[in-house]
Amino acid sequence: RKEVEQDPGPFNVPEGATVAFNCTYSNSASQSFFWYRQDCRKEPKLLMSVYSSGNEDGRFTAQLNRASQYISLLIRDSKLSDSATYLCVVNIGTGRRALTFGSGTRLQVQP
Amino acid sequence: NAGVTQTPKFQVLKTGQSMTLQCAQDMNHEYMSWYRQDPGMGLRLIHYSVGAGITDQGEVPNGYNVSRSTTEDFPLRLLSAAPSQTSVYFCASSFGLAGVGEQFFGPGTRLTVL
Repeated sequence: RKEVEQDPGPFNVPEGATVAFNCTYSNSASQSFFWYRQDCRKEPKLLMSVYSSGNEDGRFTAQLNRASQYISLLIRDSKLSDSATYLCVVNIGTGRRALTFGSGTRLQVQP
Repeated sequence: NAGVTQTPKFQVLKTGQSMTLQCAQDMNHEYMSWYRQDPGMGLRLIHYSVGAGITDQGEVPNGYNVSRSTTEDFPLRLLSAAPSQTSVYFCASSFGLAGVGEQFFGPGTRLTVL
């Protein structure tokens, strides 16, 4: 089982739609959680951190469910510019000083 | 600030050749790392460093060497290139020593080994 798993998609949605992605992680000791965005042939960039209480940034909402070991990303009122790959990132708590990246979920917002 | 810079942007090697991928950051970050990204695999950690003179192996270190002589630079050396090393390589840096804060990535190096 992969340490961090995501549905690769693609998720094809119309402009204005609401779309949600989930990501599961295998280690219950995981401590830090993030969503990164990666545009085609570009480097990943931090979209938002995920806190235990959840957090919201404009149209984006991230939540953590420790009991079921998953994090989610909700995008409301999708824009064409939201088209990208969204990477789930976790510090899996093995003592290695690094983050573990999921393989990403591709979102395509269509006009 | 330039952030994290990487050179070259593209490189084609023949099997058995060696080369060094350059990475530099001007944010005074202690933590730096190298990842490779392959289709469907996500980013996988190759090596990382928590400061000048300190490096450690990541998930996929075989075939790669690193050194960290200054805070700013963290080059990645391919000792004897193999087709399996065809990939996109990203260098990243972050505040602190734990490597779990926001990662700032360079633009990547696209490497093809024939």
